[in-house]
Amino acid sequence: DTAVSQTPKYLVTQMGNDKSIKCEQNLGHDTMYWYKQDSKKFLKIMFSYNNKELIINETVPNRFSPKSPDKAHLNLHINSLELGDSAVYFCASSQTGSGRYQETQYFGPGTRLLVL
Amino acid sequence: GENVEQHPSTLSVQEGDSAVIKCTYSDSASNYFPWYKQELGKRPQLIIDIRSNVGEKKDQRIAVTLNKTAKHFSLHITETQPEDSAVYFCAASRAGGFKTIFGAGTRLFVKA
Repeated sequence: DTAVSQTPKYLVTQMGNDKSIKCEQNLGHDTMYWYKQDSKKFLKIMFSYNNKELIINETVPNRFSPKSPDKAHLNLHINSLELGDSAVYFCASSQTGSGRYQETQYFGPGTRLLVL
Repeated sequence: GENVEQHPSTLSVQEGDSAVIKCTYSDSASNYFPWYKQELGKRPQLIIDIRSNVGEKKDQRIAVTLNKTAKHFSLHITETQPEDSAVYFCAASRAGGFKTIFGAGTRLFVKA
């Protein structure tokens, strides 16, 4: 009964390769996010999607391209991987509140990417 | 731009003592303040949150306080236990912003 799931859990690859990470949520949420967590544990938002539409793109290099085929899925494709891309990537989802407040985000288990 | 500052970066307490983590936010339109706990190798998970219409919220050993005027909010953990050891993140967001700004995290060690 996983709420937010990601695949793969681990990803080890060479510089210059292209890789994808997949995320799915079964919570019925309409907003999904990608975060990057570096070695110092800092959580930085990369993208947010609402109802399949890109809402936030936080000055992420063009090598990163998210895709949301439907509200329950948000995938992340990374071209020409670089050493600095090594990090843990978390997917998250939330429901847009009808009131004044943003609702709680639920995180996936993370994808540990290591670029050699 | 929006920013959330979190202190301290590391906190070590004896089991049974209290722990306090403080955050300051810059966006005065922020009105929702969640706290997440991240155990080693795990995902961040919500432990408590507070909205701007209240000044304090408590859930068993955990409490959060909010001072909107000063743009400060704090997490208080009483009677700490070794299983409270983790990284704690504060965060701030506003309605309709689709963006949550996280603090840099506090690594809490509870010594048995």
